[in-house]
Amino acid sequence: DIVMTQSHKFMSTSVGDRVSITCKASQDVSTAVAWYQQKPGQSPKLLIYWASTRHTGVPDRFTGSGSGTDYTLTISSVQAEDLALYYCQQHYSTPTFGGGTKLEIK
Amino acid sequence: EVQLQQSGPELVKPGASVKISCKTSGYTFTEYTMHWVKQSHGKSLEWIGGINPNNGGSSYNQKFKGKATLTVGKSSSTAYMELRSLTSEDSPVYYCAKLGDYDVGFAYWGQGTLVTVSA
Repeated sequence: DIVMTQSHKFMSTSVGDRVSITCKASQDVSTAVAWYQQKPGQSPKLLIYWASTRHTGVPDRFTGSGSGTDYTLTISSVQAEDLALYYCQQHYSTPTFGGGTKLEIK
Repeated sequence: EVQLQQSGPELVKPGASVKISCKTSGYTFTEYTMHWVKQSHGKSLEWIGGINPNNGGSSYNQKFKGKATLTVGKSSSTAYMELRSLTSEDSPVYYCAKLGDYDVGFAYWGQGTLVTVSA
């Protein structure tokens, strides 16, 4: 199985800041990467697929990028409601998810 | 509007089995594979498997073969997952999920079913 590694379990940021969450695949996944946001008590919500395509209704402050084994989700101007867990997932083969990064607002 | 409505929380004894349901609406049930995902408390997400409601064909994460069985009820547009020989390690939240229109990314999720295994 392809292992997705999110090296930062926690990230602390302030409202209005730009923050980047990273994810590394154990092999080249050819931009077949999705990102999810999960708020406490809720189901995950799809933000991005094919590394950079925003899902319907996702605010444009969320941007995905990357290629090969390295991928990034960037929030250009963090809002208070962005407090959540963020997961990457590869859809290159049998789906696997990263361990998650918890975004905390200072 | 696509909706996935899962059955309620379950309390089961160690070694027992449980069957969770996911009732769908807002799309043609037989045209999209239904997937199941496990989320243990404080841990990440694991794909359990997927089932094609049209022909019943299924694929499983090797880790869950023998633990999970996926089925569907076409007439009720409902997907099911049975979990057997449950242990306390099997007390997470289970989600049903459907891919989006471009067949990548889980765009639609049920609300989750908590299964608690306790004597």
